[in-house]
Order: sequence, then structure tokens, then C-alpha cells
Amino acid sequence: GAGVSQSPSNKVTEKGKDVELRCDPISGHTALYWYRQSLGQGLEFLIYFQGNSAPDKSGLPSDRFSAERTGGSVSTLTIQRTQQEDSAVYLCASSTGGGTGANVLTFGAGSRLTVL
Amino acid sequence: AQSVTQPDIHITVSEGASLELRCNYSYGATPYLFWYVQSPGQGLQLLLKYFSGDTLVQGIKGFEAEFKRSQSSFNLRKPSVHWSDAAEYFCAVGETGRRALTFGSGTRLQVQP
Repeated sequence: GAGVSQSPSNKVTEKGKDVELRCDPISGHTALYWYRQSLGQGLEFLIYFQGNSAPDKSGLPSDRFSAERTGGSVSTLTIQRTQQEDSAVYLCASSTGGGTGANVLTFGAGSRLTVL
Repeated sequence: AQSVTQPDIHITVSEGASLELRCNYSYGATPYLFWYVQSPGQGLQLLLKYFSGDTLVQGIKGFEAEFKRSQSSFNLRKPSVHWSDAAEYFCAVGETGRRALTFGSGTRLQVQP
């Protein structure tokens, strides 16, 4: 597609429920990133996918968080047993290439998650 | 590990005034440096980047930034601010061998008429 598409744009859930957030990157971009933006905070790196390589999961805050990327394209971020501190905007980005810090990321508009 | 500091959480300037947003980084080698802007309800948009060469880089919307190695800084500037520049601005650093960018906590810019 023309840009990075994320869904849903807004999600309200109850504490303890599982949620799935979807990201559709730019066609041809091999690298995909998930970041979390909490109120008043910067962007916190969560996970990175590059082609068929093993993902870099070093930023996932707990084992309740997981992500997959199917067919080298669409990615789903899953949060199990949501907690109130999971409330944030989850941003997805994609880029060409990978393996260096010189990647220019294109971001989606984000999925705002509110846990009641 | 690298880190990025944006000392100013919130800045207010008058329309037409000049602007400088500060960014300091901590990294041993020459970093890759970025400025992104986020308008309300939007994703982040790249304003400009520095990889090597001329330390003064030009970006979109009339923004520029200067890399100063001696000060570990990459400050963003604009000579005359427009009301549409009101947004949140993020500085980010990339390093060789680490795929994910490290972002600062952001500076929210408010523009007064």
C-alpha cells in the first residue's frame, strides 16, 4: 500500500482481556518495527522483524507481549491479560533494508489502546 | 547503550519567531541522527536526517539541523515558525549494528498567534 496501515485505530478493553493489533507495512519494505508511546513518554522499542531472520524481541516488556509477522508482510502484536499500564499508543513502522541504524522509518498512525 | 535527551518538554513561540529544539545524544561513534514530527492523531513523519558529510542538513517544511560532534548535539532550527508547525518533535539516534532507533521523549511545540 501507499503507507503503513494500522488497525484498529482505537481499542478499549477490560483489564485481563487479550488484544490484537495489526500492522500492514509498505509493500516491499522488508523491515518492520513496533514501538509503544505512553502518555508523556518517548517511543519505546518493542520488537523488530527483518525478512526471514529471527525477530529482535529485546524490547518486549513482559511475556504477555508477543508479535508475529506472516509471509514477510502483515504483523500482529498480541497483548495477553492486559493491564492498565498497557494503555498507550502502539506505533508500527516499516523500512527498506535493515541491519544498520541508518534505516528511515515510515510510521503508521498508531493504535490507541485503553485498558479499563 | 545509546541515549537521547530532549531537555525541553514544552516550548511556546510566537508565529514568525525563530525556533530551536535541542537534542543531545550519548553514543561513542558517529551516530545516524533523525528528527521526526508528530501532529495530533498522526504517525511520525521524517523531517530530516544526518548520516555523514555536511553537518548542516536541510529538511522539509523549512527545517534544518546541525550536527555538532563536540557537543553531542543535533539541534533542530527554523527561522520563522508557522502556526501549522505546532506538533510534537522527536529526535532519534541510530547506530551501526543496532536495527532499532532510540527516540528522545519529545518536545511539544505550541505556536501563539
